Amino acid sequence: EAGVAQSPRYKIIEKRQSVAFWCNPISGHATLYWYQQILGQGPKLLIQFQNNGVVDDSQLPKDRFSAERLKGVDSTLKIQPAKLEDSAVYLCASSLGLALDEQFFGPGTRLTVL
Amino acid sequence: AQSVTQPDIHITVSEGASLELRCNYSYGATPYLFWYVQSPGQGLQLLLKYFSGDTLVQGIKGFEAEFKRSQSSFNLRKPSVHWSDAAEYFCAANAGNNRKLIWGLGTSLAVNP
Repeated sequence: EAGVAQSPRYKIIEKRQSVAFWCNPISGHATLYWYQQILGQGPKLLIQFQNNGVVDDSQLPKDRFSAERLKGVDSTLKIQPAKLEDSAVYLCASSLGLALDEQFFGPGTRLTVL
Repeated sequence: AQSVTQPDIHITVSEGASLELRCNYSYGATPYLFWYVQSPGQGLQLLLKYFSGDTLVQGIKGFEAEFKRSQSSFNLRKPSVHWSDAAEYFCAANAGNNRKLIWGLGTSLAVNP
């Protein structure tokens, strides 16, 4: 079974530029999560989708971050414009359903904002 | 507020020694509890989880965890550590009616040969 795929693996941009990350979840998984993991911290949930609907985006900085999951499969997360404090690893995870199902994580995208 | 605390930022053990990583939670009721491992260059992987029932939970890679309600703890243990266990370990909790996982800051484990 293929795991969660993410691209790119690494990205370096300058502040005020825009960037996009892509995630393809495990086939059949209805729920998709985007996390931000700053060095030395645990993951912080940015947004959670159930199929193509948003379940939780309470911690998404909506003035600069956006995410979509068209057709309820793969997803993109965008930052525009980026700030220095956005430097982090962006993790995508998927699960079969909601709540207590195991989340399967992708390898992450390491973003460096200069 | 709901929170998960991992008191140890970094732990070093010798290969073959036993290991215990601490996790404490602060919730109104007993949450659902998880331990994840993040190895260098790899994604987070679920080691084990506790929902209810037997308070000693067995996981993958020889890990186990014990839920202690009186201490609000869910400590991870392994009787004999292998060099490949060097990684970052995260404890997480979910209140059930809130589908968002709350994560600890993680404990970095180093293993000496």
